[in-house]
Amino acid sequence: AQKVTQAQTEISVVEKEDVTLDCVYETRDTTYYLFWYKQPPSGELVFLIRRNSFDEQNEISGRYSWNFQKSTSSFNFTITASQVVDSAVYFCALSEAGSGGSNYKLTFGKGTLLTVNP
Amino acid sequence: DAGVTQSPTHLIKTRGQQVTLRCSPKSGHDTVSWYQQALGQGPQFIFQYYEEEERQRGNFPDRFSGHQFPNYSSELNVNALLLGDSALYLCASSLGSYSGNTIYFGEGSWLTVV
Repeated sequence: AQKVTQAQTEISVVEKEDVTLDCVYETRDTTYYLFWYKQPPSGELVFLIRRNSFDEQNEISGRYSWNFQKSTSSFNFTITASQVVDSAVYFCALSEAGSGGSNYKLTFGKGTLLTVNP
Repeated sequence: DAGVTQSPTHLIKTRGQQVTLRCSPKSGHDTVSWYQQALGQGPQFIFQYYEEEERQRGNFPDRFSGHQFPNYSSELNVNALLLGDSALYLCASSLGSYSGNTIYFGEGSWLTVV
């Protein structure tokens, strides 16, 4: 069964600090997809990144970067020079390819509440 | 380009009642999924609709049912509401049911059962 663990329930930082959100996943599939979403107080889940299991290259997008390591089943998310607007709940999610790639279900972690203080 | 839209935004129902939530997928998307997010938890998959059929279902009782219309919009129905059904209900859409496609979410419908 697939599982996502976000061990950090809450993180509080001061603006301009770097912060890393941890994500560890479990799956028996060799083909799977990992996602990060941001959820502000409004409730909408904002898509940040999708990564497939065959692409272990790290990715950087502005102040955001992601470190995917299959050896440790981790997909960590780093925000550099954090800003107050980064305050939100961040979710890591996993989707297994399943039979014929039709397994669509996203399994989410419990989320990490990030608070960036001015 | 309209994103995923959901209605109503907030609603309050009484235990035992029935509720219908509505979702319009992002323009060009044909697949809709529904998730339930309890307070302080991650979203839990309810079911997915593609080509007007339920393709996958999570661990939810039959009180939860859905429908997809020819224009790809969808409804989530919950019968015999329980206090524990109070949650944020999120609709998600994508193009096709392929698991690697990017999945976009709406702002959700906040349901309170009293």
